[in-house]
Amino acid sequence: KNQVEQSPQSLIILEGKNCTLQCNYTVSPFSNLRWYKQDTGRGPVSLTIMTFSENTKSNGRYTATLDADTKQSSLHITASQLSDSASYICVVSDRGSTLGRLYFGRGTQLTVWP
Amino acid sequence: EADIYQTPRYLVIGTGKKITLECSQTMGHDKMYWYQQDPGMELHLIHYSYGVNSTEKGDLSSESTVSRIRTEHFPLTLESARPSHTSQYLCASREGVGGITGELFFGEGSRLTVL
Repeated sequence: KNQVEQSPQSLIILEGKNCTLQCNYTVSPFSNLRWYKQDTGRGPVSLTIMTFSENTKSNGRYTATLDADTKQSSLHITASQLSDSASYICVVSDRGSTLGRLYFGRGTQLTVWP
Repeated sequence: EADIYQTPRYLVIGTGKKITLECSQTMGHDKMYWYQQDPGMELHLIHYSYGVNSTEKGDLSSESTVSRIRTEHFPLTLESARPSHTSQYLCASREGVGGITGELFFGEGSRLTVL
């Protein structure tokens, strides 16, 4: 069964600290993996996309990694800011068809305290 | 900023009422989606469309219906709302070429409360 599991479910850190969010998936055949940020009461916004051949990709203070062998991805946030408080959702796409079915994790709720 | 818009953002209605959630995008995307999201849970696909006059039901059974008469417009309708329909509804669109899946662009969401 194709699944996406995220951990931790929630996380509280102090402003300025770093943190790492995890995403494990069983989706096969794999096409790509995206991390989305969802602010409270808003729609999710894409942060990064990882394809099979990519190991690391950065977007400002966000760095995503992908290990396609172990089917794991992580999102590292450096020097956290209050505005980083949000839910971070891992979304994996398969390539079983041209339609690219999407599998969503439940998200990690990150709270940054001053 | 994504050019995809949902109205209303918030709606509180009584049981049995008919409601339509509007979704419009100006990016010319063929693929559009409706997701349902409850607190702490993953997004569940309830409807999708790959173009005009194309609509399909998603993974999560829903009593709602959708239509796609124009590329840019993908409204969702509930003929008779019930408290179990209380949820956040997210509309999204994306472009996809061949086997490459594009980024999902989401609207701000419509939070529905049925009393």
